[in-house]
Amino acid sequence: QQPVQSPQAVILREGEDAVINCSSSKALYSVHWYRQKHGEAPVFLMILLKGGEQKGHEKISASFNEKKQQSSLYLTASQLSYSGTYFCGTALRDDKIIFGKGTRLHILP
Amino acid sequence: SAVISQKPSRDICQRGTSLTIQCQVDSQVTMMFWYRQQPGQSLTLIATANQGSEATYESGFVIDKFPISRPNLTFSTLTVSNMSPEDSSIYLCSASLTSGRLAVGAGELFFGEGSRLTVL
Repeated sequence: QQPVQSPQAVILREGEDAVINCSSSKALYSVHWYRQKHGEAPVFLMILLKGGEQKGHEKISASFNEKKQQSSLYLTASQLSYSGTYFCGTALRDDKIIFGKGTRLHILP
Repeated sequence: SAVISQKPSRDICQRGTSLTIQCQVDSQVTMMFWYRQQPGQSLTLIATANQGSEATYESGFVIDKFPISRPNLTFSTLTVSNMSPEDSSIYLCSASLTSGRLAVGAGELFFGEGSRLTVL
């Protein structure tokens, strides 16, 4: 079951904040976040396990609400380098990851 | 971490032919997967490559069309058989290492640079 991401696209000015949401109708084991720049392979950002934990990576953090099967990715004080497509991936079991359709983030100088 | 090498990086193929994509990982990994990505689209899981046994395919993908091998922990191949223009896509190999906090397979995914196939 493919997770649902929102919004589909975001345009920000450098220094602004953004939130990307990911939800599933299934009970999740873990949520993964990746960023892909044009013409490149996806790059891992972080994994969140069930239990409502929150993690951070530079100025990028995320939360996972196990009860709601939702995760959010927070980008604060966005930088030009944050531009790209963000994918959430969900694992129902511990052996494979299904990705959402992605959220395109474009940062303007 | 793991570095994944895929080849070919791109190819142009004729309808009805088959092409095999090779994936080599620089360290022993627990899980290997094959994804397909249309330009500007999401990553669609084709199958899990199982070492020494038949791959586990996702709905919509069958072994006759996408035979996969994984003879050891660091190498896998994906063949796209009897290609049609609808098979034009980027095919990505990925691998997962075991995380100390997680059960096998749910760890970080590393991706190869992808193989861009164009079928005429």
